[in-house]
Amino acid sequence: DIQMTQSPSSVSASVGERVSISCRASHGIGAWLAWYQQKPGKAPNLLIFGASHLQSGVPSRFSGSGSGTDFTLTISSLQPEDFATYYCQQADSFPWTFGQGTKVEFK
Amino acid sequence: QVQLIESGGGVVQPGRSLRLSCAASGFTFNTYSLHWVRQPPGKGLEWVAFISSDGSLKHYSDSLKGRFTISRDNFQSTLYLQMNSLGPDDTAVYFCARETSYSGAGSFDYWGQGTLVTVSA
Repeated sequence: DIQMTQSPSSVSASVGERVSISCRASHGIGAWLAWYQQKPGKAPNLLIFGASHLQSGVPSRFSGSGSGTDFTLTISSLQPEDFATYYCQQADSFPWTFGQGTKVEFK
Repeated sequence: QVQLIESGGGVVQPGRSLRLSCAASGFTFNTYSLHWVRQPPGKGLEWVAFISSDGSLKHYSDSLKGRFTISRDNFQSTLYLQMNSLGPDDTAVYFCARETSYSGAGSFDYWGQGTLVTVSA
């Protein structure tokens, strides 16, 4: 199975700051990577697919980059509604797997 | 609009079975692959199972050890998850999710609200 490792596990940031979250795959996955945002008690929301493609309706302050084993989700200017937990997910091969999550907290 | 509505969760004793349903609307059901994803309380997301649009292909998480079966009824626009020999580690919110149709996406663009399964004596 492909293991997905996110770092950091949590990050404290202020409104307006730039935040980057890393996701590393145990094997190369090309661009088969998605990013999700999840708020407490809610289902996850797709932000990025294909490593760098912004899902329709998602603000442009979110961006994704990377290929192979190393990927990054960047929030260019953190907004109050962005405080949440973020997950990466690989779809290169079954079983699909998620990272353990990164919680973005208010500093 | 696209809707996925799970049902069938609840409290079940260890060793018993449960069947979850996911009723879909707002899209052409028989053209999309579907998945189940679960989330134990306070923990991260875990992919559970996949079924292709016509039901001919299925994949499962290795950790399930053959206890779960995914199926679908394309006439009723409903996805199912049959769960047998349930144990405490199966306690989680279970989400159904639609796989994005874009080629090369490999992601979930719509999710249900989730249904909680609690395995407890």
